[in-house]
Amino acid sequence: RKEVEQDPGPFNVPEGATVAFNCTYSNSASQSFFWYRQDCRKEPKLLMSVYSSGNEDGRFTAQLNRASQYISLLIRDSKLSDSATYLCAVNPLFSGGYNKLIFGAGTRLAVHP
Amino acid sequence: DAGITQSPRHKVTETGTPVTLRCHQTENHRYMYWYRQDPGHGLRLIHYSYGVKDTDKGEVSDGYSVSRSKTEDFLLTLESATSSQTSVYFCAIKTGPNTEAFFGQGTRLTVV
Repeated sequence: RKEVEQDPGPFNVPEGATVAFNCTYSNSASQSFFWYRQDCRKEPKLLMSVYSSGNEDGRFTAQLNRASQYISLLIRDSKLSDSATYLCAVNPLFSGGYNKLIFGAGTRLAVHP
Repeated sequence: DAGITQSPRHKVTETGTPVTLRCHQTENHRYMYWYRQDPGHGLRLIHYSYGVKDTDKGEVSDGYSVSRSKTEDFLLTLESATSSQTSVYFCAIKTGPNTEAFFGQGTRLTVV
């Protein structure tokens, strides 16, 4: 089983739609969680961190469910410019305390007019 | 801008030749990482470093070695390149053990 799993999509949605992505992780001792956005042929860029209490940044809402070991990203009122691949990332805790940031394979989102 | 520079940005090399990719950072961060990205696999960790001369293997380390003799430079070496190592390679830094990562612009490597 992969350490971090995402639905690969693609998600094809019209402008204005609400879309949600989920990401599951296997290491219950994971310490921190993130969502990244990656445009075609570019490097991943941090979209938002995910906090235990949930957090919102404009049209984007991230949530963490530790009991079920998943994080989610909700995008409201989708824009054409939201078209990209969304990657979740998890810092699992390993012995020795050195954390590695592990990524899911990414979910592709295509927003159409 | 996290001050990360990867070089070269593009490279075509022949099977069996050695290749070294360089990641340079200007912020003195302790944690540095090399990932490769391939369609259907996302970002996979090759090697990482948590300080000068302190490195460890990631999930896809076979065929790769790394060195970190200075805080600012993390080198990835393919001792004898194979076609399966054709990929986009990203370097990343973290400011702390539990923080987010910031990425360089990537190196597109083609092994023919």
